[in-house]
Amino acid sequence: DSGVTQTPKHLITATGQRVTLRCSPRSGDLSVYWYQQSLDQGLQFLIQYYNGEERAKGNILERFSAQQFPDLHSELNLSSLELGDSALYFCASGPEVGELFFGEGSRLTVL
Amino acid sequence: TQLLEQSPQFLSIQEGENLTVYCNSSSVFSSLQWYRQEPGEGPVLLVTVVTGGEVKKLKRLTFQFGDARKDSSLHITAAQPGDTGLYLCAGVPFNDYKLSFGAGTTVTVRA
Repeated sequence: DSGVTQTPKHLITATGQRVTLRCSPRSGDLSVYWYQQSLDQGLQFLIQYYNGEERAKGNILERFSAQQFPDLHSELNLSSLELGDSALYFCASGPEVGELFFGEGSRLTVL
Repeated sequence: TQLLEQSPQFLSIQEGENLTVYCNSSSVFSSLQWYRQEPGEGPVLLVTVVTGGEVKKLKRLTFQFGDARKDSSLHITAAQPGDTGLYLCAGVPFNDYKLSFGAGTTVTVRA
């Protein structure tokens, strides 16, 4: 158990819809990272938040947004979903940017 | 183009054999990490290497950071079926703040 909690574990939705993925970091970690993993792209960094503020941005689409709340949990919002958005979405937290603890992921299937 | 190139992409060996996975880049990294991921789970951090030329051992796993801090290798001695998984190298380049992952090496150890 990494201490990082993600919900939901599985999500099936239709194209054009909007979903929200939720993450609670490990106790004591101020940073939350979001990654997307697909078969053809591997693990791609989306965005990082530190203590409520956006710290770094990766290959995150404009249709995607995230935020970190005062209690440090984070949400990743995916809108106008396309078939290609089907992937595993991981949240991670950790004391250093390289040493991350990952949640079990949210598997998104867009039909 | 991946910042970190891993080879081979797939590796299938018999129990008791040795294997080496490589992680290469043209960029210099302040640190490199190795993670292992099993199906349906998030990546789990195995080790961090920081100093050029550094060698770290974790039971039957040996990790090496290149002298120029551009590459790393993971060597497994006497592999066991429990070593089966996706091995990912990751790193934070100098002058950057984002952790990038290689595409991964899928290792299968047959009993």
